[in-house]
Amino acid sequence: DAGVTQSPTHLIKTRGQQVTLRCSPKSGHDTVSWYQQALGQGPQFIFQYYEEEERQRGNFPDRFSGHQFPNYSSELNVNALLLGDSALYLCASSLWGSFGSGNTIYFGEGSWLTVV
Amino acid sequence: QKEVEQDPGPLSVPEGAIVSLNCTYSNSAFQYFMWYRQYSRKGPELLMYTYSSGNKEDGRFTAQVDKSSKYISLFIRDSQPSDSATYLCAMSALAGGFKTIFGAGTRLFVKA
Repeated sequence: DAGVTQSPTHLIKTRGQQVTLRCSPKSGHDTVSWYQQALGQGPQFIFQYYEEEERQRGNFPDRFSGHQFPNYSSELNVNALLLGDSALYLCASSLWGSFGSGNTIYFGEGSWLTVV
Repeated sequence: QKEVEQDPGPLSVPEGAIVSLNCTYSNSAFQYFMWYRQYSRKGPELLMYTYSSGNKEDGRFTAQVDKSSKYISLFIRDSQPSDSATYLCAMSALAGGFKTIFGAGTRLFVKA
């Protein structure tokens, strides 16, 4: 059973550039959430996608955008990169509307983004 | 005030000790409570999951939820050096589509 997979694992970008991160959810899951985790901090919720629509959004600027595809995979795009965007970006998958009975969210290994 | 508060530590204990990790929260709508373990530079791994108040045990791990006090705990018995990691509490509410909010994480070091 494939878990949550993310790519790339590491990348370095320059301030002002744009980046796209990719995620394939765990088999059977239909909901993808993205989190930003700065060093020494807990994951911060960016947004959540279900049925190819953004369902919820955290306190992140519009420079952060996303997309979900019909196969449930997802992309996170960040425009006009700032030094402060350097972090581990985590993708989490779950099953919409059935939280409970052991169904919860599962994380990928993350994409490490360094902005220089 | 953050929705979820967690002491970042670090917490250092000798091998074999009982470890107690805690979180407090402010949103009474939270119904689902989780503990994740995160090794350095890795994604979080689900350890325990509980619904509403009560206790849940899984091997050396026990999770407790006290909704009246808005307080959750994770106990680790017979701690091992391999338990050294960051422990994240997380919680979700039905309202808002189960958006999951995390604590800052507590760094635990278990000394051999």
